[in-house]
Amino acid sequence: ILNVEQSPQSLHVQEGDSTNFTCSFPSSNFYALHWYRWETAKSPEALFVMTLNGDEKKKGRISATLNTKEGYSYLYIKGSQPEDSATYLCAFNPNFGNEKLTFGTGTRLTIIP
Amino acid sequence: DTEVTQTPKHLVMGMTNKKSLKCEQHMGHRAMYWYKQKAKKPPELMFVYSYEKLSINESVPSRFSPECPNSSLLNLHLHALQPEDSALYLCASSQRTGTLNEKLFFGSGTQLSVL
Repeated sequence: ILNVEQSPQSLHVQEGDSTNFTCSFPSSNFYALHWYRWETAKSPEALFVMTLNGDEKKKGRISATLNTKEGYSYLYIKGSQPEDSATYLCAFNPNFGNEKLTFGTGTRLTIIP
Repeated sequence: DTEVTQTPKHLVMGMTNKKSLKCEQHMGHRAMYWYKQKAKKPPELMFVYSYEKLSINESVPSRFSPECPNSSLLNLHLHALQPEDSALYLCASSQRTGTLNEKLFFGSGTQLSVL
């Protein structure tokens, strides 16, 4: 059983502030790391799929980094807005040809106006 | 159309009922997935269909029976469920199979309650 951990479990951030949270995964094998944003009553939406050590991805005010050797990824949100309130899930796939993603429990982010 | 549509959104059923969950996508994706999520837990994979054939069954009890009648449609047939099966059931799809270096597209889920 793969252990994918996310921290913190929940986070309250003032509007306009920047924030970041962590996804940790086993470093022994790596193929891909996904980030999803899940707003209440909506579908989880893919933010990034990262495959290379040192990868940095950016989408608007949101960016992510990846360190496969030490087994972690950071998600950063710059200048938080109320619409950023959501649960952010990471998901890990250790092997090519493996169709199973193992999800973390998520970080629940609430932006305070 | 980049949507995955799941119906119904909510379902309440008794332990003797038979019901089905439906998932549809029209993006030409060849891999489709069922995930189960209990409150405060991560989504857990149940089944994967690849080119309309079942490729992964994560030791799911036989009271859950998946079906992929064509490349756009995925069903989950439910029979004799237990109260502990109450959960959010999520469907997802991806363009290719055999690799997960591309994103999944999710539906919004069916919230199932078993009484």
